[in-house]
Amino acid sequence: GQSLEQPSEVTAVEGAIVQINCTYQTSGFYGLSWYQQHDGGAPTFLSYNALDGLEETGRFSSFLSRSDSYGYLLLQELQMKDSASYFCATPGGYQKVTFGTGTKLQVIP
Amino acid sequence: DVKVTQSSRYLVKRTGEKVFLECVQDMDHENMFWYRQDPGLGLRLIYFSYDVKMKEKGDIPEGYSVSREKKERFSLILESASTNQTSMYLCASSSAGQRGEETQYFGPGTRLLVL
Repeated sequence: GQSLEQPSEVTAVEGAIVQINCTYQTSGFYGLSWYQQHDGGAPTFLSYNALDGLEETGRFSSFLSRSDSYGYLLLQELQMKDSASYFCATPGGYQKVTFGTGTKLQVIP
Repeated sequence: DVKVTQSSRYLVKRTGEKVFLECVQDMDHENMFWYRQDPGLGLRLIYFSYDVKMKEKGDIPEGYSVSREKKERFSLILESASTNQTSMYLCASSSAGQRGEETQYFGPGTRLLVL
């Protein structure tokens, strides 16, 4: 089976950098995705790492280490609008995706 | 832009009622999914479909069934609603891929309350 663990809550200051970690245990691993969900909204895709290393998309970066079964999402220059829940997710083979329990990020002034 | 729509944003039903939740996507995606989202439990997969009339059980299929008669439409059915099915239900779609790495596009969700 698949399981992904994330911290339940993180608080950070506007303008700072925050890292949201995700550790996983999977029977077969193809990559790690990240999704953002604002309160009352739908999850939206942020990034996907198929290979080890850092992928950067603007203020957001995502990192994967297959050997450590670990990844993280890095948010830089935090803005109030970044307050949301963030989910890591991994494909489980043939269309199925398993999501982590989510990390609620609160950005404070 | 990909658009996934769900038939209702809020729904209130009574225990024992049959409940239909409908989802429509306009991007000709092969795959469609139903999740439920509960505080502290993240998104849990109920059922998914990779083609018309094809369905696969997810992690928590008990008490649910699905129907996919047309490519763009995927319905979730609660045969006899129970209070423990009170939840947020999210539909998603994605294009076909070998390993499920394709981006999932989510609908706005249906918040179901079963009394």
